[in-house]
Amino acid sequence: DADVTQTPRNRITKTGKRIMLECSQTKGHDRMYWYRQDPGLGLRLIYYSFDVKDINKGEISDGYSVSRQAQAKFSLSLESAIPNQTALYFCATSDSRGRYGYTFGSGTRLTVV
Amino acid sequence: DAKTTQPPSMDCAEGRAANLPCNHSTISGNEYVYWYRQIHSQGPQYIIHGLKNNETNEMASLIITEDRKSSTLILPHATLRDTAVYYCIVRVLPPNMLTFGGGTRLMVKP
Repeated sequence: DADVTQTPRNRITKTGKRIMLECSQTKGHDRMYWYRQDPGLGLRLIYYSFDVKDINKGEISDGYSVSRQAQAKFSLSLESAIPNQTALYFCATSDSRGRYGYTFGSGTRLTVV
Repeated sequence: DAKTTQPPSMDCAEGRAANLPCNHSTISGNEYVYWYRQIHSQGPQYIIHGLKNNETNEMASLIITEDRKSSTLILPHATLRDTAVYYCIVRVLPPNMLTFGGGTRLMVKP
């Protein structure tokens, strides 16, 4: 099994719908992150969490919310999806000492029509 | 955070060493240099990081200049599977929020 698992892998949804992207990890890491990538561009940070009780906004958090249900689970929600949220979404984890860098999931390709 | 500058693209012949440069002239004393790569649309993959000494692991070598204003990632024997976008990032340890810029698109050619 992958260290960081994202579900679903692909999703098409309609404008205005609520959608949740899920992420789970088996690394035992404290820190979890959600990134967004638009075609041809680098990754931009949406939200991050350093432990279950800690949630922080990243550079592009508007229109998104997150929930850290457990150390191993971090979900991203789009309350009312809009077409410009069409992107590739990545979840990542790291340990608190940053010894081995970030571990990324395989991504969720989201299309809002 | 120190800003990094990388060439947008590079080519390398299969089997040869790929040397990817990164400039980070405003790096602070406690900032590390990290390298990641992203193959097609997969999640980025951690490669290596270092502070001031050269580092080597099973994937690559990292050479940091003595003044720490630039670094080079070396893939000693590039293969077609090394074709990817390579990101150089400068952050403190532990890296609270990694920021991925444009990176260098490395094309390994037969």
